Order: sequence, then structure tokens, then C-alpha cells
Amino acid sequence: QTVVTQEPSLTVSPGGTVTLTCASSTGAVTSGNSPKWFQQKPGQAPRALIYSTSNRHSWTPARFSGSLLGGKAALTLSGVQPEDEAEYYCLLYYGGVRVFGGGTKLTVL
Amino acid sequence: EVQLVESGGGLVQPGGSLRLSCAASGFTFSNYEMNWVRQAAGKGLECVSYISNSGSTIYYADSVKGRFTISRDNSKNSLYLQMNSLRAEDTAVYYCTRGTGFDYWGQGTLVTVSS
Repeated sequence: QTVVTQEPSLTVSPGGTVTLTCASSTGAVTSGNSPKWFQQKPGQAPRALIYSTSNRHSWTPARFSGSLLGGKAALTLSGVQPEDEAEYYCLLYYGGVRVFGGGTKLTVL
Repeated sequence: EVQLVESGGGLVQPGGSLRLSCAASGFTFSNYEMNWVRQAAGKGLECVSYISNSGSTIYYADSVKGRFTISRDNSKNSLYLQMNSLRAEDTAVYYCTRGTGFDYWGQGTLVTVSS
């Protein structure tokens, strides 16, 4: 069974930069895994941020960027805002199978 | 405006059944694959099932295979999830989401399996 691993928690200061990663138990993450990123705040449904590794949705602030980094998918937040405090999930495709990571709780402090 | 509205959740005893619905609006429903994703309280997201735009391709997570059935009615812009033989571990909020991009999500419907 494929496992997708994210950092359980990260802390960043307002205005700072943080990178969240998404690793695959099958090996290096590639563009073929079509990495996606989602943000979820307490009591809300997830919101899509990034698709196909690095593409922002029309509603995604420019401070969010996606990439491949060291064999993992990565989500970088630059100039972090207090409202960015949330849980972040990645999603990877493996042919017909879609697997979410366990999520990263991002604290802005 | 794209909208996805789930309904049909509730309290059900172990071994029971529920049928979830997702009403879609604001886009051409028949052009999009659709997904059901669930989230247990305090836990992460799990892709439960998806169905292609025509209904010809269907996927189920191993955890629900043989018990859940996904379907859609493109004439009614609606997605369904028939859940049978429910277990306590199926307790979760169930979301419907649009397309291979999972770009739009409903607000979710809570399914509680308990005696």
C-alpha cells in the first residue's frame, strides 16, 4: 500500500518563508504523480491551492508556490500571513489511485 | 458559481445503509469526473471513490470495496454514494469534489455509524 508522508507540524513566523514537503513510499515524486495541495481550516472543507505540481488556481494567493524538490513535492509559502495557519494536505496520483498525505499542521507564531 | 451540496448523512447502526447525494450546479456536470473524499474527526483525508464523467470508469478504496457503490445521473447533475454494511470506521464527514483536480468541494455531510 502506497504511503504519502508529510511533516506532521511546522511553525513559521509572520512574514517568514516555510516549505512543506510530500514524499512517496514508492520513490521520487515526479510530475507524473500530478501533485496537488489543499488548505483546510478548522470546521471548513478543504480548499484547492495548487494542481499539477506548480499551477495556482485563480483564487490562490501568489505567496503560495509548488515545486518538486529533492524527490518530493513541495509547497512554499513566502511572506506568511496569520490567516495561513491551517492544515495542508498533498495528493498524489498513482495511475488510477489517488493518495492523500497525512497533512501538515502549520502554525503561524 | 460552482456549487456542490451533499446530503443524506446521519446516524446509522453498524451493518446499516445510507445513500449520500451531491447536487452540482454552476458547471457542465457531464464533463467532469467526480469524487467522494472522507475525513474522520481529527484525521486526514481519504479518497473513497471516483467515477468518470460517463460513468464507465469507477474506483474504490480497498477500505470500502464491495460495500460502497458510486453512481451519477448526468440528467440530474447529481452524484451518489450508496453505502452498505456500514462499520464504525466509516464514521466521517463525506465530501464530494469535482474533477481530477479536486478543485471544488462541497461542505460535507456527516455519517455516524454507531449503536
